[in-house]
Amino acid sequence: QVQLVQSGTEVKKPGASVKVSCKSSGYTFSSYVLFWVRQAPGQRLEWMGWITAGNGKTKYSQKFQGRATITRDTSASTAYMELSSLRSEDTAVYYCGRERPGGGGALEYWGQGTLVTVSS
Amino acid sequence: QSALTQPASVSGSPGQSITISCTGTSTDVGGYNYVCWYQQHAGKAPKLMIFDVSNRPLGVSNRFSGSKSGNTASLTISGLQAEDEADYFCSSYTSSYTYVFGTGTKVTVL
Repeated sequence: QVQLVQSGTEVKKPGASVKVSCKSSGYTFSSYVLFWVRQAPGQRLEWMGWITAGNGKTKYSQKFQGRATITRDTSASTAYMELSSLRSEDTAVYYCGRERPGGGGALEYWGQGTLVTVSS
Repeated sequence: QSALTQPASVSGSPGQSITISCTGTSTDVGGYNYVCWYQQHAGKAPKLMIFDVSNRPLGVSNRFSGSKSGNTASLTISGLQAEDEADYFCSSYTSSYTYVFGTGTKVTVL
């Protein structure tokens, strides 16, 4: 069965960077697009960007352009999201999600989420 | 990109039908048939309930249905059940080649 397993909770200081991983199993990793979405406490979901696992092409939401970097390691079936210059407003749960083959941003499988806390 | 507008809360009694709206513009909801709906229970990851405006993934109850008119998409839950109590978010593709989520709606089963 398809599974996305994310790395564990992170606590970072303002100005630092964080790198969250998302390991896929149960399907051909290179055939799909993986998205990153975050959710601040009590807030709405927020698109960050995505990566086409096959060719590594990425697209970022304007808000995160230049501060977020999404990569993948096909040999490990793992995608990564690195966010730099962290500030308190970046405290959130970060999710990865696999898009349906038909596209349209329909995320049919999700990781369990990774809590990132930014605090001095 | 501004968030799509959803009502903050909607409630209904068991067995009733409720509808959640998701209002955008011609550059997102109105311009594309890439509207999705997600259900999120407290502390859990979202679950895809509707994609491409009105299609249900395998395993999602047919009590959930989606539609769109102009710049507003809607999610209808019929035969409301206690397990439907959750937050619901819409999303849409946009003319900026990215996506936007809605503000979220808390559904309460009375």
